[in-house]
Amino acid sequence: AQSVTQPDIHITVSEGASLELRCNYSYGATPYLFWYVQSPGQGLQLLLKYFSGDTLVQGIKGFEAEFKRSQSSFNLRKPSVHWSDAAEYFCAVGARDSSYKLIFGSGTRLLVRP
Amino acid sequence: GAVVSQHPSWVICKSGTSVKIECRSLDFQATTMFWYRQFPKQSLMLMATSNEGSKATYEQGVEKDKFLINHASLTLSTLTVTSAHPEDSSFYICSGPGGRNTEAFFGQGTRLTVV
Repeated sequence: AQSVTQPDIHITVSEGASLELRCNYSYGATPYLFWYVQSPGQGLQLLLKYFSGDTLVQGIKGFEAEFKRSQSSFNLRKPSVHWSDAAEYFCAVGARDSSYKLIFGSGTRLLVRP
Repeated sequence: GAVVSQHPSWVICKSGTSVKIECRSLDFQATTMFWYRQFPKQSLMLMATSNEGSKATYEQGVEKDKFLINHASLTLSTLTVTSAHPEDSSFYICSGPGGRNTEAFFGQGTRLTVV
């Protein structure tokens, strides 16, 4: 069964500082991988996705993530955080079988210090 | 990208009543859609897979009789919370299926408050 672990419940960074949010997954093969962001009371916005190919993927809002098969990880990074990035971030794993089910991690709340 | 429209965006209902939430795919057809529930400050938990023309597939621990799912057409799936109680208050969100090299598209979500 697929599973996703986001070890950091919340992270606080200063505006302008770099950011890395961790995501580890468990799946029998290489899954589809996603990062979503959710602002309070809002729906989900897709930041980036990995299906195959280049293991470093670029997303919206200056985010990127790197798929590392050997570490079963898909960490999200941003070189310089803006105050508007404060939100909840979810890593998700998608099954490559016909179900295409998504399993979400527990989320990481990002707080940004001015 | 594909558009999924979910309605209503928020609803308040009395304990014991039923509430229906609609999820429409506006520009694609879907034989499968997914329903998730998110409690405050928690992650999204998959509740069930909605299947067009057949019964929904529920995840372990989800009450089938309480959360009725109907996939009436290739563009509409509905979730009915029957005999709602305050503990059913949550954020419910639907998505399309995604697919081979295609991400799932999510509805805007429905905030249900049972009083």
